[in-house]
Amino acid sequence: DAEITQSPRHKITETGRQVTLACHQTWNHNNMFWYRQDLGHGLRLIHYSYGVQDTNKGEVSDGYSVSRSNTEDLPLTLESAASSQTSVYFCASSIDRDRGYGEQFFGPGTRLTVL
Amino acid sequence: DAKTTQPNSMESNEEEPVHLPCNHSTISGTDYIHWYRQLPSQGPEYVIHGLTSNVNNRMASLAIAEDRKSSTLILHRATLRDAAVYYCILRDVMDSNYQLIWGAGTKLIIKP
Repeated sequence: DAEITQSPRHKITETGRQVTLACHQTWNHNNMFWYRQDLGHGLRLIHYSYGVQDTNKGEVSDGYSVSRSNTEDLPLTLESAASSQTSVYFCASSIDRDRGYGEQFFGPGTRLTVL
Repeated sequence: DAKTTQPNSMESNEEEPVHLPCNHSTISGTDYIHWYRQLPSQGPEYVIHGLTSNVNNRMASLAIAEDRKSSTLILHRATLRDAAVYYCILRDVMDSNYQLIWGAGTKLIIKP
């Protein structure tokens, strides 16, 4: 079955370190997204991609970067981790608009703690 | 900002129907109404969506007001596994931007 996976599931790091969170989907979706979710709140969009070599900034992109070299993967990099980036990170992918209504399929999340 | 308004929390008894309301008074003609839910410690999952007519699927039903300024997600027979945060989201299908704007949602508590 097609799926979307994230790794690691839990990560503890120190302030100032570079961290990369992996996201891999086997749905063959062109659209992929990264969100963060702080305790008790909804999701906020960090970056998104509509296809290979395409990346776009979302609502809270400062301090984060992404790259899209193939359809399946969209890694999220924290260039210099800060305590304010402690959060749960979700990756998602979605059906192309001409084949559906944009339903998004989410990974299980990565819990990141920055000390 | 989120374009929908939902109650912070609701309680229901197991095996009874649940009606989760959502207000979206500024909805445009091309906005679809999407519902997602997020079970504890999991990523969100798609539940249902609609435009004007009421919709049914294996998970739930979506009732949309005639003026489209509100909608209700209906779980016909709630189980303990339906305890989750439910998000009501508008998405403009004429917009090539696939972004979803998430509010805080409604936390549904199911009592055994």
